[in-house]
Amino acid sequence: DVKVTQSSRYLVKRTGEKVFLECVQDMDHENMFWYRQDPGLGLRLIYFSYDVKMKEKGDIPEGYSVSREKKERFSLILESASTNQTSMYLCASKGGSYEQYFGPGTRLTVT
Amino acid sequence: AQSVTQLDSQVPVFEEAPVELRCNYSSSVSVYLFWYVQYPNQGLQLLLKYLSGSTLVKGINGFEAEFNKSQTSFHLRKPSVHISDTAEYFCAVSPWMDDKIIFGKGTRLHILP
Repeated sequence: DVKVTQSSRYLVKRTGEKVFLECVQDMDHENMFWYRQDPGLGLRLIYFSYDVKMKEKGDIPEGYSVSREKKERFSLILESASTNQTSMYLCASKGGSYEQYFGPGTRLTVT
Repeated sequence: AQSVTQLDSQVPVFEEAPVELRCNYSSSVSVYLFWYVQYPNQGLQLLLKYLSGSTLVKGINGFEAEFNKSQTSFHLRKPSVHISDTAEYFCAVSPWMDDKIIFGKGTRLHILP
C-alpha cells in the first residue's frame, strides 16, 4: 500500500512566523502535490513537483514556496505566515497509475 | 481548461435509502474521472475511477458511478447508505497525459437515522 505521511496533524503558528510542512511518500513516486482545502472551495493546487528539484506553480502559489531535495520528501514553506493561510493542507503523490494518493492532512491555524 | 461541477454542496439521505451524488465536467480533451471520499479529519481516499472501457465502474464500499460522455457526467450512486458513509465526496478529472487532477468543490453526505 502507498503511504503518504505528513509531519503534523495540527499546527498553530503566529503571524509572521516561517512555517514548514513536510510530506513523505514511500512508493518512489515521481510526482508530488500540495493542496489547500477550505470549506466550499474544495481542493486548490498550490505547487507540484514532477522530479527532484523540479517544481511548478499551481493555481494559488502566492505566499508559498516548496522544496524537493529528495524524491520521497516534498516540503511546503510559508515564508511569513498570515491569518488567511489558516487552512487544511493536503499532500499527495502520484506514480505510474492514474490516481493521486493523499496524506492525512495538516490543519494549520495562524493567529 | 477543465472544470468540475458538483451540483449539490450537501445531500441529506435516510439510512438504507439510495443516494446519487451528481458531477458534471467540462473539458476540450479526453479525461480520466475519479471519485474520492474524505471521512472526518482524514485525507482523501480513492473510491473509484474511470479510465476507459465499460462506462459503469464499481468502487469500494458498494459505490458505483456511470460515465456519460454525451452529458459529460459522472454521477456516483449507492443503493443503500449506512451511517458510516457520512463523509465529503469529491469528483475529479485528469486530462490524458497530464499528472494534475482538477477537483470539484465537494458534496457533503449526511445520513439521517
